Amino acid sequence: DTEVTQTPKHLVMGMTNKKSLKCEQHMGHRAMYWYKQKAKKPPELMFVYSYEKLSINESVPSRFSPECPNSSLLNLHLHALQPEDSALYLCASSSLMAGGLDEQFFGPGTRLTVL
Amino acid sequence: DQQVKQNSPSLSVQEGRISILNCDYTNSMFDYFLWYKKYPAEGPTFLISISSIKDKNEDGRFTVFLNKSAKHLSLHIVPSQPGDSAVYFCAASAGYGQNFVFGPGTRLSVLP
Repeated sequence: DTEVTQTPKHLVMGMTNKKSLKCEQHMGHRAMYWYKQKAKKPPELMFVYSYEKLSINESVPSRFSPECPNSSLLNLHLHALQPEDSALYLCASSSLMAGGLDEQFFGPGTRLTVL
Repeated sequence: DQQVKQNSPSLSVQEGRISILNCDYTNSMFDYFLWYKKYPAEGPTFLISISSIKDKNEDGRFTVFLNKSAKHLSLHIVPSQPGDSAVYFCAASAGYGQNFVFGPGTRLSVLP
């Protein structure tokens, strides 16, 4: 299984809603990432989990809250978002194998619209 | 300041010809580079990589060239096919475990 899956594919939420994005991989990867991508822009890194521990938080507002319940799962909890948070949210994973080529495998993304 | 640049926002190539996508970087600590392809409404797909100990890496129709002194890399697609039409991102990292910085992307259109 060389796939990263993300649910839901699409999400529309109001500014007062609480929702969660989910990401799953079964490749044994020990690093998982959340990226945000706006239209016609490259992905921007939000969070990195290495060995289930948050290792990087790229100054993301607290209305985005990541969670890594185990090595295969990554969640992004959303609360009190703003319309400008509407974007494609991409999850990725990589093996973190020493000496290996640490390419990231991306999921298809969740397209989020905040009304 | 953009550390990874792809100065051509778009490129059109005839089917069967060579596509050359370019990428420049400014951070001399970068030593590992990836190319990703992205179709609309899909996540980026890893295409090919190269580390700084090499100056060329080939995988089927795709070849990546690295010129460290010029801080430049390029992706060659030969022959180009209509299914190659996508946005191509160059990404660079400063070593194992370091995160990737993405370029802005180049939209490739392969015309039948």
